[in-house]
Amino acid sequence: AQSVTQLGSHVSVSEGALVLLRCNYSSSVPPYLFWYVQYPNQGLQLLLKYTSAATLVKGINGFEAEFKKSETSFHLTKPSAHMSDAAEYFCAVSDRGSARQLTFGSGTQLTVLP
Amino acid sequence: EAGVVQSPRYKIIEKKQPVAFWCNPISGHNTLYWYLQNLGQGPELLIRYENEEAVDDSQLPKDRFSAERLKGVDSTLKIQPAELGDSAVYLCASSLLLARGSYEQYFGPGTRLTVT
Repeated sequence: AQSVTQLGSHVSVSEGALVLLRCNYSSSVPPYLFWYVQYPNQGLQLLLKYTSAATLVKGINGFEAEFKKSETSFHLTKPSAHMSDAAEYFCAVSDRGSARQLTFGSGTQLTVLP
Repeated sequence: EAGVVQSPRYKIIEKKQPVAFWCNPISGHNTLYWYLQNLGQGPELLIRYENEEAVDDSQLPKDRFSAERLKGVDSTLKIQPAELGDSAVYLCASSLLLARGSYEQYFGPGTRLTVT
């Protein structure tokens, strides 16, 4: 079964600093990978996705993620944090055979300090 | 284009009472999902519909939970009777088949249920 592990349930960064949110997946074959963001009292919004094209994926709001097969990782980064980035971030995985089935990580709460 | 619509946004009920949640997916999306999200955790799939057919309901507690998707559009998720442990956010999502067989799920704002 597919699974993802998000290291760090809470991450704090200063405004303007690098954002790095970690995600490792468990799969025998390269899966599809996703990052979602959830603002308070809202649903999840897709930030970016990896579906076997370029390994460096660019998403919305200046975020990007790199698929590294050797490390089974799909970490999310942003060069310069903004106050509006404060939210909960979820990594998710699906296998290519049943790409509609998403399995989510437990989430990382990002706090941006002024 | 309107997103996924859910109602109500918030619901407070006493234990043992019934409750129902409604979802209207994005027009043209034939796949609909119901997820359960407990506080501090990621969403967990309860049921997935392809048009009117429930193709994956393995995680739906069928003793008290039921769902339907009449005419392959709107869907209703029901709990009867509700228990204290059902307090959570219930998310609805819909998806569209993209090129190369990938899917993209769009989520509604969720219904936050509190059982007292």
